[in-house]
Amino acid sequence: GDSVTQMEGPVTLSEEAFLTINCTYTATGYPSLFWYVQYPGEGLQLLLKATKADDKGSNKGFEATYRKETTSFHLEKGSVQVSDSAVYFCALSHSGGSNYKLTFGKGTLLTVNP
Amino acid sequence: DVKVTQSSRYLVKRTGEKVFLECVQDMDHENMFWYRQDPGLGLRLIYFSYDVKMKEKGDIPEGYSVSREKKERFSLILESASTNQTSMYLCASSRATEPQYFGPGTRLLVL
Repeated sequence: GDSVTQMEGPVTLSEEAFLTINCTYTATGYPSLFWYVQYPGEGLQLLLKATKADDKGSNKGFEATYRKETTSFHLEKGSVQVSDSAVYFCALSHSGGSNYKLTFGKGTLLTVNP
Repeated sequence: DVKVTQSSRYLVKRTGEKVFLECVQDMDHENMFWYRQDPGLGLRLIYFSYDVKMKEKGDIPEGYSVSREKKERFSLILESASTNQTSMYLCASSRATEPQYFGPGTRLLVL
């Protein structure tokens, strides 16, 4: 079945540091890939997505590129802020029909210190 | 903006009680989902529904049931709550092939 593996946290960075959170997946066919973010005490919010190979999703300074050859979708940000402290989830789905289900990684806690 | 609301942010129940968690979305989405979130396990799908009165089991349906009588409302039911159902419960909704939008979550404690 489908699975998503992301780097275990917690990740602790200083403000303005470069961020990478690794994500690899196992799936048949051509899934869509997502990064969701969960701020403390809140539900998940979609951060960015990519629906086909070589697509780059971007939002709020975060980027991730769909790499089919390495089955990866690593999240990057050039300069993190304290407000980026949150849990980040990588996820995939096979869209189409009625079975639009997400498979999530276990999440990576990011803490950014001033 | 899409809004997904859940009936309670925090809930405390006793073992054996019947528990109802309600979720309402205001964007006429066909699909609705219930997940539970546990430390170290991430999010796991309990049930989902792609139309009124339709439901499908997710990865961990045991001990849960669902109800979708109206398009905007999706209820998760714990028939007889147990301590291992203490968790954060997240509801989500989506249009057919679009990303899911999540509610704020209900943190359930079963004593």
